[in-house]
Amino acid sequence: QVQLQESGPGLVKPSQTLSLTCTVSGASISRDDYYWSWIRQHPGKGLEWIGYINYSDNTYYSPSLQSRVTISVDTSKNHFSLKLTSVTAADTAVYYCARGVGLQLLEWLFYFDYWGQGTLVTVSS
Amino acid sequence: QSVLTQPPSASGTPGLRVTISCSGSSSNIGSNIVNWYQQFPGTAPKLLIYSNNQRPSGVPDRFSGSKSGTSASLAISGLQSEDEADYYCAAWDDSLNGLVFGGGTKLTVL
Repeated sequence: QVQLQESGPGLVKPSQTLSLTCTVSGASISRDDYYWSWIRQHPGKGLEWIGYINYSDNTYYSPSLQSRVTISVDTSKNHFSLKLTSVTAADTAVYYCARGVGLQLLEWLFYFDYWGQGTLVTVSS
Repeated sequence: QSVLTQPPSASGTPGLRVTISCSGSSSNIGSNIVNWYQQFPGTAPKLLIYSNNQRPSGVPDRFSGSKSGTSASLAISGLQSEDEADYYCAAWDDSLNGLVFGGGTKLTVL
């Protein structure tokens, strides 16, 4: 059974860097052909895709966050990480990690089949 | 303002059928595949429908998805009280070069 678990500080000061880790069990980040992703949800709001890193270490970020986001993988620990720089109160959200499945059919199929439980990150001084 | 448009709320009576719409454009739903997620309060979203109309293992066949042109729909038949949740559609957007979600629909079972 695939499981994902987010970890990291729940409180970050404005202008600092938000750093989260997602530990994966039941699947190998380096071996399997998936898209290891981050998604966030502002309080009481909808879902926002942040980006992913795939098995070939290729990254893809939301255009709206691209200048501040880095997603990386540590295959030795079977986890992947999110860094979001220069945070403001607008970055306060529940952050989810998820496993993405991507298939190029006649159209691009991309969905998340496993999710972490989510972790609330508050940006405040 | 979400790229994909969903009604903010929907409701239905137990046992009956309800549909939730998701409207997009040629760069997202019109050219890529739609997926649906179900989210209960305080929990992570769960994949409900993938590839427009496919149900993952364990999802009841009361849930069905469809797509036509630049719109998609989620239908729930035989509505049950435990179906009360938020529902989100999602698809890749070729113009934005990213995954986009609908704003979510809160389903109330009356």
